[in-house]
Amino acid sequence: DAGVIQSPRHEVTEMGQEVTLRCKPISGHDYLFWYRQTMMRGLELLIYFNNNVPIDDSGMPEDRFSAKMPNASFSTLKIQPSEPRDSAVYFCASSLRGAYNYGYTFGSGTRLTVV
Amino acid sequence: GENVEQHPSTLSVQEGDSAVIKCTYSDSASNYFPWYKQELGKRPQLIIDIRSNVGEKKDQRIAVTLNKTAKHFSLHITETQPEDSAVYFCAAKRGSARQLTFGSGTQLTVLP
Repeated sequence: DAGVIQSPRHEVTEMGQEVTLRCKPISGHDYLFWYRQTMMRGLELLIYFNNNVPIDDSGMPEDRFSAKMPNASFSTLKIQPSEPRDSAVYFCASSLRGAYNYGYTFGSGTRLTVV
Repeated sequence: GENVEQHPSTLSVQEGDSAVIKCTYSDSASNYFPWYKQELGKRPQLIIDIRSNVGEKKDQRIAVTLNKTAKHFSLHITETQPEDSAVYFCAAKRGSARQLTFGSGTQLTVLP
């Protein structure tokens, strides 16, 4: 398995533009998580899905952020409009219910810079 | 919700010495405690984990200890090597919840 795949690896955009981050979880994993990592706040959970259904989005910072999971193999995190304070590394992770260590695996992340 | 505190935020040790990183958690229902290593520009990767029914677990040079009464757990790295230099994160998972709550991270530097 290729692991959790995120795209793009780097994104530079201007303030006010729409940004879409993409994630492909490990095949068979039934949970998908979106995290944001910054120096100030560390790793923050934004939202997670179970079997494509959003379970907890309490970490989504504001209405500018939205996430979807249209099928078991694809999820997006969208920021519209983007702001400089959204600059961070965004990680996607997936896990499997029933696995000993839950199979919690991170993708390589997307480094977002909003100028 | 769960709150995980991690100390120290930075740690420098001489090659060959031991390193200890400590975390405390707030929710007594937490039952799974993984540790992740994140090298510069890379993804966090699981290095060791422990469940609440176990007090200690070892894997070569790394070990994790858990004190459920005090609600803290620690990562121990012995015979440190320069390649151990990275940011280490602890995390906790509460009961039947699926999400992990992470500590703030420790930047470990192993000096040659």
